[in-house]
Amino acid sequence: DQQVKQNSPSLSVQEGRISILNCDYTNSMFDYFLWYKKYPAEGPTFLISISSIKDKNEDGRFTVFLNKSAKHLSLHIVPSQPGDSAVYFCAASAAGTYKYIFGTGTRLKVLA
Amino acid sequence: DTAVSQTPKYLVTQMGNDKSIKCEQNLGHDTMYWYKQDSKKFLKIMFSYNNKELIINETVPNRFSPKSPDKAHLNLHINSLELGDSAVYFCASSRVVGNTIYFGEGSWLTVV
Repeated sequence: DQQVKQNSPSLSVQEGRISILNCDYTNSMFDYFLWYKKYPAEGPTFLISISSIKDKNEDGRFTVFLNKSAKHLSLHIVPSQPGDSAVYFCAASAAGTYKYIFGTGTRLKVLA
Repeated sequence: DTAVSQTPKYLVTQMGNDKSIKCEQNLGHDTMYWYKQDSKKFLKIMFSYNNKELIINETVPNRFSPKSPDKAHLNLHINSLELGDSAVYFCASSRVVGNTIYFGEGSWLTVV
């Protein structure tokens, strides 16, 4: 049972436009969420996080939105750059479990 | 200066062999992890150690044995390798349990 789902395996966006990556979860006990970016042959790199007490967190070009009632979070990248082309993973954890559950990733391609 | 480093990066070995993957972090973190990314790209936790003590042990075959000689190191030993063990293994660490995790570059294991 996949508790964290990224239903879009891939996404293509023009350079300069907004990229929106989505993530859905089923476990209402999840209270902390992370986004990672992964280039080929490298490990995932931490991008941004959000706690369930917030509905938005922003860091430069990256903004994460959390909709707890819908059990949905999204990562917005604006403006998108070719260097943003990578696989993006969302991850979630519940307090006291000490582990993160990862989605299967969305491959973002930013077209120059 | 790599924060979480693991060796070897690539490993091709025959079925039935025993192999080890080493991991070291220089971030001063208390908690270390091993994650496995399989052919379907699921990134799943295998083990977690906090201050050299095992705190997470997912349903992993007992052919996999983690060893943490100190807080900065978490090695993974695999006995009697099987074809299904072929995957990418990521080491990771976090300041304390439940905090943001930082990954190494991965070790690509191929069992033939």
